[in-house]
Amino acid sequence: DTTVKQNPRYKLARVGKPVNLICSQTMNHDTMYWYQKKPNQAPKLLLFYYDKILNREADTFEKFQSSRPNNSFCSLYIGSAGLEYSAMYLCASSRWGGSSYEQYFGPGTRLTVL
Amino acid sequence: GDQVEQSPSALSLHEGTGSALRCNFTTTMRAVQWFQQNSRGSLINLFYLASGTKENGRLKSTFNSKESYSTLHIRDAQLEDSGTYFCAAERGTNTGKLTFGDGTVLTVKP
Repeated sequence: DTTVKQNPRYKLARVGKPVNLICSQTMNHDTMYWYQKKPNQAPKLLLFYYDKILNREADTFEKFQSSRPNNSFCSLYIGSAGLEYSAMYLCASSRWGGSSYEQYFGPGTRLTVL
Repeated sequence: GDQVEQSPSALSLHEGTGSALRCNFTTTMRAVQWFQQNSRGSLINLFYLASGTKENGRLKSTFNSKESYSTLHIRDAQLEDSGTYFCAAERGTNTGKLTFGDGTVLTVKP
């Protein structure tokens, strides 16, 4: 099973309110990623967890937080949503150290901030 | 920084015809993935290649690490093939980070 699940699939948020998105995988992958994708743009990596170590991209460092309570789950947290956060958020996972580092993507959460 | 140059940016095909998409890399990449973005915005895995060629149905992909490029060939295009295709390459610096191309918007017409 190469399924990555994301909840919710659609999220409506108000400006200034927090947003929490959830991702899960049962492939025992050690690495989980969060991407932001806007229309007509390539996916943009926000952060990733390798095991319990969080790596955040420099240009989005202050805008997004994440937690990984166990190997299967990873969340993406926005403390105060702005209009510019409206986008599709894609979660992916992979296993490092093997012969393949293929990333598997979830269906995405479409966030609309009003 | 690392760049992935994907071309063409848009492609129009008639049903039953074929063409190729290409990604050029400005640095040596360890592996490449190709994705199709469906109508809901999800990324569907098409291929993962560390080298060589893979084929799946009407799709075939090649990755040449030495010459820093990858291609995705589509033959006998069908209407449902329409969508945006992305290549993404991994540099292999033990981060697993993918660098995406800007995508190719494929339109298949009857």
